[in-house]
Amino acid sequence: ILTQSPATLSLSPGERATLSCRASQSVDRFLAWYQQKPGQAPRLLIYDTSNRATGVPARFSGSGSGTDFTLTISSLEPDDFAVYYCHQRRIWPRGFGPGTKVDIK
Amino acid sequence: QVQLQESGPGLVKPSQTLSLTCTVSGASISSVNYYWAWIRQPAGKGLEWIGRISGSGSTNYNASLESRVTISLDTSKNQFSLKLSSVTAADTAMYYCARDLASLGPEDSWGQGTLVTVSS
Repeated sequence: ILTQSPATLSLSPGERATLSCRASQSVDRFLAWYQQKPGQAPRLLIYDTSNRATGVPARFSGSGSGTDFTLTISSLEPDDFAVYYCHQRRIWPRGFGPGTKVDIK
Repeated sequence: QVQLQESGPGLVKPSQTLSLTCTVSGASISSVNYYWAWIRQPAGKGLEWIGRISGSGSTNYNASLESRVTISLDTSKNQFSLKLSSVTAADTAMYYCARDLASLGPEDSWGQGTLVTVSS
């Protein structure tokens, strides 16, 4: 089971965002991050802890291992305000965290 | 570039079977490199992984839904399908199909989603 914190993060453009995901047991490095905007499908940002998916800007980075993971957005752009889900593929069934909403302060 | 498109009825009656199809372009669903997955999302809520099928037809299901779910392939049409039986209002959700990179990674390409409402 994945938990995410905080549930909501209120920040201004240009600020640094730090999102956390914790697993109830080790998922090794098999942790991904998705971004979802209203009315859209989720978009893969980071896979296997720290690998950026194709086309993802360098301001997105991931870190962690085992049970504790972090998604960092170094400087928020207006397009980055969305909901972010973590996802693990180490343990069956695959699952998603409840999400962190990043909204404009 | 792979593209996925969900299709199927937007309204299903309680106790009936929900049936959706995902049409894939830009990749062969018979490929040994990928699985093909279904994920759903009730309005305003989080994502729930339903299950997946490999290019050879091997399936994995979420245990919480396994007794009601069937995922199948139609290689002649490059499509895969979801059937969910005995639906209730709790099955009302946006349903997404996605490409699963199997051992290489998570679901990387998603369809736009289709809304299914369970109501009489």
